[in-house]
Amino acid sequence: GAVVSQHPSRVICKSGTSVKIECRSLDFQATTMFWYRQFPKQSLMLMATSNEGSKATYEQGVEKDKFLINHASLTLSTLTVTSAHPEDSSFYICSARAGTSNYGYTFGSGTRLTVV
Amino acid sequence: DAKTTQPNSMESNEEEPVHLPCNHSTISGTDYIHWYRQLPSQGPEYVIHGLTSNVNNRMASLAIAEDRKSSTLILHRATLRDAAVYYCILRSGAGSYQLTFGKGTKLSVIP
Repeated sequence: GAVVSQHPSRVICKSGTSVKIECRSLDFQATTMFWYRQFPKQSLMLMATSNEGSKATYEQGVEKDKFLINHASLTLSTLTVTSAHPEDSSFYICSARAGTSNYGYTFGSGTRLTVV
Repeated sequence: DAKTTQPNSMESNEEEPVHLPCNHSTISGTDYIHWYRQLPSQGPEYVIHGLTSNVNNRMASLAIAEDRKSSTLILHRATLRDAAVYYCILRSGAGSYQLTFGKGTKLSVIP
C-alpha cells in the first residue's frame, strides 16, 4: 500500500532557530500534500495544501512566512518552521494523495516538535 | 465544508462488534465519506471510504444511509488495537480535496 515517510519523528530546538520536517511518498507520486498541526487532546488542524511545482495554499491564520512549505518533487514536501517559539511546539503531520486517486489519503507518522 | 457529527466517546468489549455512527445531514452529492483512525502519538490511518453504496474491506465495513445523511463504521470484532480516535470526514469530489478533521469518537475497548 501507499506509504508516506515523515522525518524526523521527534525534534527539540531552541527558540529562534528553524526546523525542517520532511514528508516523502515512498511508492507513489503525490501531486498534492497536506500539512496539519495537532495540539494535545485536540483534533488535526489543516495548515496548508502543497501542490508540486507551485506555491502552497495556507489556511486562514497560518503565517506563510513562518511555516515555509516546499513541494519541489512529486515525492517530497518539506515544512520549515522558521524562528521557532515555544508556542510552535506541537505534533506536525503530513498527508499525501495521488493526483487522480479517489482512494484514501495516506498520513505520515508525525513529528513531535518541542521548542525550548 | 459539509460538517459531520460524532459522539465524543464510545466503549466496546473486546471481540464484540462496534458500530460508530456519523451524521452528515448537509452532505452534497459529490462528497465522499471517509473514515480514519488515530492512535496516540501517531498519524491518522485510513480505514474506509464510500460514496453511496456500502463498502467492506479487511479492516471494517461502512454502511451508508439511503439518503446519505448518516453513515456507520462497523468493526466486526473489536480488539485492543482498535482503541483509537475515529474520524468521519466528508471529502469533496471537487476542488482542493482536503480533509477537514472534526473531533472524532474516542473508542475504548474493554478487555
